[in-house]
Amino acid sequence: NAGVIQTPRHKVTGKGQEATLWCEPISGHSAVFWYRQTIVQGLEFLTYFRNQAPIDDSGMPKERFSAQMPNQSHSTLKIQSTQPQDSAVYLCASSLGTNTEVFFGKGTRLTVV
Amino acid sequence: GDSVTQKQGQVTLSEDDFLFINCTYSTTTYPTLLWYVQYLGQGPQLLLKVTTANNKGISRGFEATYDKGTTSFHLQKASVQESDSAVYFCALITGNTGKLIFGLGTTLQVQP
Repeated sequence: NAGVIQTPRHKVTGKGQEATLWCEPISGHSAVFWYRQTIVQGLEFLTYFRNQAPIDDSGMPKERFSAQMPNQSHSTLKIQSTQPQDSAVYLCASSLGTNTEVFFGKGTRLTVV
Repeated sequence: GDSVTQKQGQVTLSEDDFLFINCTYSTTTYPTLLWYVQYLGQGPQLLLKVTTANNKGISRGFEATYDKGTTSFHLQKASVQESDSAVYFCALITGNTGKLIFGLGTTLQVQP
């Protein structure tokens, strides 16, 4: 079990460019979460999928951010027109189901210059 | 809405010292409270889970308990080691999705 796999581990983008972050949840896990981690705000929930369907995106910024889960083995978080304030560690997590242990990946550190 | 407050930003201890980290929570439902630990370059990993059913959790020498009266829960360890140096987050499961609300984290540095 390789755990939740996130690629790339580090990404540097220029202001205004697009960034796509990839996540491979643990096989068999039906719940996938995205969180953002910064020093100031800590760990913030972004969005949640269950069985590939978007269930809760209440934490997603309304503009420029989108997440998809086209199949059970991967999810993507896309940020259009990146801004310096988007710099953060983006964490993907998965779990077997509701209220079961959530396993986090190592994160993707996004730096917008 | 549900919330978690973790005020201790940084704790520095020496090996074999006692560790105590406290969080307070607010929720309208029966709480499931957790402690996560994050080592450098890693994602958070579950350390302990406490529910209204068990009131206490123990793992790897750490103990977590909660007090419904004061809506607080804390993490303690009798004797910390240098390898315990990490960031510790308290968290609350909110709603019926398993979504986690995290405290801001406590950075523990244990000096040899």
